[in-house]
Parts: sequence; C-alpha cells; structure tokens
Amino acid sequence: EVQLVESGGGLVQPGGSLRLSCAASGFTFSSYWMSWVRQAPGKGLEWVANIKQDGSEKYYVDSVKGRFTISRDNAKNSLYLQMNSLRAEDTAVYYCARIIAAADHNWFDPWGQGTLVTVSS
Amino acid sequence: DIQLTQSPSFLSASVGDRVTITCRASQGISSYLAWYQQKPGKAPKLLIYAASTLQSGVPSRFSGSGSGTEFTLTISSLQPEDFATYYCQQLNSYPPWTFGQGTKVEIK
Repeated sequence: EVQLVESGGGLVQPGGSLRLSCAASGFTFSSYWMSWVRQAPGKGLEWVANIKQDGSEKYYVDSVKGRFTISRDNAKNSLYLQMNSLRAEDTAVYYCARIIAAADHNWFDPWGQGTLVTVSS
Repeated sequence: DIQLTQSPSFLSASVGDRVTITCRASQGISSYLAWYQQKPGKAPKLLIYAASTLQSGVPSRFSGSGSGTEFTLTISSLQPEDFATYYCQQLNSYPPWTFGQGTKVEIK
C-alpha cells in the first residue's frame, strides 16, 4: 500500500524553527517528485514546495522563500521541510504528497494525513 | 500567478441531486487541472486529473470537463458520502501550483 506519514509538527514560538518529516512506503520513493502543501485552520489548500527526484530542483511559494527548505533522503525514503523564522501565518496542517507525472500531466496522489504546526507565543 | 476561482463557495443539496462545481482560471491552462475531495479532519483525495480523467477507484458518478479557463466537476447523483469540500488545482505553470478556494457541499 502506498503510504505517506508526516511527523514533527507542534507548537513553536514566532521566530522559531521546526523540521517536518514525511516517511514514504509502498512505492519507489526515489522515482517521484514530492511536494508539501499546507492548510491554515478553516482555510483552503496552499502549495508550499516541490522537490525533484534527486533533489537537484526545488521550488517554493513566495511566502516561504528564504525561510523554508525542502529536502529528501532517498536512502531513507523520507521527505523533509525545514522551517525557520516561523510566523503566526505559517500555522497550518502540513501535508506531504507524491507528484504523479504522466503523459505531460501532473497530479498529487496520495497525500499524507498531515501534521499540525502552530506558531504562537 | 494563475488564480483559480471556484463557484459556488458553498452548496446545499440533497441526496440524489446532480451537482456541478465550476473552476475558472485567470489564464488558459489547457487541461492541466485536478480535482480533490476533502472531508473534515482528513487529507485531500484525488478525484480527477488532466481535467477529465477519473482516478482509479473513484465512483463513476464523478466526472470532470473543460479546457482553457473554465472547468466543471459534476456529481451525477449525490450520495451521503459525497458531502465534503472540493478543490480544483492548476498544474500548468509553476511556481506556484495554485488551488481554488474550495466548494463546500452540505446536506440540504
């Protein structure tokens, strides 16, 4: 069964740091682009970052550039999101998702269950 | 950035109703659009990709159509398990790959 399991969320003070992890199983992790998507409480979905199979390409939404870093360890089948200089507006459930690419199209499937990050003093 | 606007934002319907949700893009995105369903406290689930291709395992009452700037998600006969929030996502140009604001489907 293809599965993604996030961990590492919690309560952090403004300006603090947190590292999220996403453990992948049931598929060849190193063959797929991966993504982080977040959802603020009661709000919609916001794409955060993508990373290529070998980690050589990374893309971020403008609001997290310079503060968040996406990375992966293919030997450990794991995806990471290092979040620094956290702000109240970063409070959200963070989901990791596998990006499927086929016939010139992409889509996200599956998604992990999410991990909650709360930035508050 | 490409903006996606879903309408309506909220929809009240009965079991058995035909439901249509529209997603409009601020510029043409060909057929680079996906639809997701999200239930409270759960992760989004892929329903449709490439605007009209049904994901394996998704009931055939769900269908997608459109190209360019206007897309629709249709549920032909609403079932109790379909009450959820639905999001469209454009995967044409990025960053960013944007989502619509969501359409919440509730029981009338």
